[in-house]
Amino acid sequence: DADVTQTPRNRITKTGKRIMLECSQTKGHDRMYWYRQDPGLGLRLIYYSFDVKDINKGEISDGYSVSRQAQAKFSLSLESAIPNQTALYFCATKDGSADTQYFGPGTRLTVL
Amino acid sequence: GENVEQHPSTLSVQEGDSAVIKCTYSDSASNYFPWYKQELGKGPQLIIDIRSNVGEKKDQRIAVTLNKTAKHFSLHITETQPEDSAVYFCAASRGQKVTFGIGTKLQVIP
Repeated sequence: DADVTQTPRNRITKTGKRIMLECSQTKGHDRMYWYRQDPGLGLRLIYYSFDVKDINKGEISDGYSVSRQAQAKFSLSLESAIPNQTALYFCATKDGSADTQYFGPGTRLTVL
Repeated sequence: GENVEQHPSTLSVQEGDSAVIKCTYSDSASNYFPWYKQELGKGPQLIIDIRSNVGEKKDQRIAVTLNKTAKHFSLHITETQPEDSAVYFCAASRGQKVTFGIGTKLQVIP
């Protein structure tokens, strides 16, 4: 969905490096989410934000941090990447008064 | 917390046949059940959803059924086409908490 964009789309990095994944949306939604997708595990929530001043941990937040720079921007950082953080990462947005989440195209991250 | 189980993990059908994917959930307070389709290289896209006050919903070739008593819901795709090939995710939601199933890879064989 072009309304939710993620950069980069692919990234290969080395163990110990700091990595930032970025998400932008033009849907005007107040809520934004970061998920991780692994084969056989589905989508798992890393962090979510209800507005610029509200950040919440999801079920697998260890090793990750986030920043909500503006209503339209939500970035995910890996402070010191490790190989088991190799995965597909998705950003999603949602209007606070609705139920549906809208996903970005994903970032494929490989940590060597 | 909520637990969502999804079956099968892979499904192959002949073009024109029907496909059924089933999910069960554990939290009886869950009240919103979306289904997402994920095509290769793309993010999940909502294809249909159902709320706990409805038993069935249809949209052209796609339907979803919900049995609140048994805590399970199913996706039905009729007259499958090659473009239906994708990974399908179910989810159960209560307020801001959304729990996804592990996904079903559907292959429609021409």
